Amino acid sequence: EIVLTQSPGTLSLSPGDRATLSCRASQTITNNYLAWYQQKPGQSPRLLIYAASSRATGIPDRFSGTGSGTDFTLTISRLEPEDFAVFYCQQYGTTPWTFGQGTKVEIK
Amino acid sequence: QVQLQESGPGLVKPSETLSLTCTVSGVSITISHWSWYRQTPGKGLEWIGYVLYSEGTNYNPSYMSRVTISLDTSKNQFSLNLNSVTAADSAVYYCEGYGGVWGPGTLVTVSS
Repeated sequence: EIVLTQSPGTLSLSPGDRATLSCRASQTITNNYLAWYQQKPGQSPRLLIYAASSRATGIPDRFSGTGSGTDFTLTISRLEPEDFAVFYCQQYGTTPWTFGQGTKVEIK
Repeated sequence: QVQLQESGPGLVKPSETLSLTCTVSGVSITISHWSWYRQTPGKGLEWIGYVLYSEGTNYNPSYMSRVTISLDTSKNQFSLNLNSVTAADSAVYYCEGYGGVWGPGTLVTVSS
């Protein structure tokens, strides 16, 4: 199965900062079928990005996804207070679909 | 607006079968993949499998021998059955479909 490794584990930033999250795959992700999710405590994951770079419906344009092959990045251009959460990448190009272990973006 | 809602017992005894249902509103379950996931503090998010009306099912090999996911088109629901459960199957279970719409999740504890 494809192993996804996210870095860093924790990102301590202030509102207004730029956040850059990385997701590296153990093998090429088919069709760049890589998604990014945001999860807050007690809530289900919320889809932000699919197919590496397409924003899901209703997602603000401060969220952007880039990358291809095995290296992917989620960028939040200016952090808003509601953005602080755990972020997961998921590949759905090859079964079994797999997730990274998550990056926590916390308030500095 | 598409919405998903999980339902089922919150407590299951070891060796028994965990059964959950996901009720879908706003779209027919005859389109799209419909998946089950679970989340634990130790293993994080795990995909269990999906069902697609036109193609059937696809399961994570980690669950292959114990899992069944099925559709009930008359009720616009899909279900998860996981048999021979142990304490390690205690988790928050989520249903998901229609390209990224998730239910709120349901906590299932396996305990006698």
